Amino acid sequence: GAGVSQSPSNKVTEKGKDVELRCDPISGHTALYWYRQSLGQGLEFLIYFQGNSAPDKSGLPSDRFSAERTGGSVSTLTIQRTQQEDSAVYLCASSQPGPASTDTQYFGPGTRLTVL
Amino acid sequence: AQSVSQHNHHVILSEAASLELGCNYSYGGTVNLFWYVQYPGQHLQLLLKYFSGDPLVKGIKGFEAEFIKSKFSFNLRKPSVQWSDTAEYFCAVNAGNNRKLIWGLGTSLAVNP
Repeated sequence: GAGVSQSPSNKVTEKGKDVELRCDPISGHTALYWYRQSLGQGLEFLIYFQGNSAPDKSGLPSDRFSAERTGGSVSTLTIQRTQQEDSAVYLCASSQPGPASTDTQYFGPGTRLTVL
Repeated sequence: AQSVSQHNHHVILSEAASLELGCNYSYGGTVNLFWYVQYPGQHLQLLLKYFSGDPLVKGIKGFEAEFIKSKFSFNLRKPSVQWSDTAEYFCAVNAGNNRKLIWGLGTSLAVNP
């Protein structure tokens, strides 16, 4: 079946502009995660959605970052007033939660964001 | 705060050599441990995971990892690597019922034919 898809694959923007990144999870997966990978750094957790529960936003680096998940499926990560340090690969993952957080997260191809 | 350390940043091996990639984590409670791999031009995918039971876990493509609780380690091994194992390998941990993964910086493995 189809995997996790993300769009756009690449985004170049100017400092100060807003950007929206989209994630389509695997059908039926109720959990959705956003991570980012900056140059020379590991993956950094941003936000996690699970069903109708309030999202875990503990990884969002500033209030310029926000995310929503409509209808329990597609998610959009929005970065307002982009800064050069926001340049990174933004990865989305989805999973079907199992017991005690053992579920496998399936990753999309990522969106490479470059802020000039 | 939880953290994950991968000690080898770049590893270069010849085909048929044995591989061991180190991973240590800091967290005193119950953890779930994962190794993910990213082949060139491909998505991250799961190699193997441990959450309970036998501490020696076998994954895809002949990889295995051993959870040693006393050492807070989850090292990845393969007895004989192939050129197709060239990839970036990431160790990740989540703790208790918290699903967010904490990641190591990754190890870049290059296998020369």
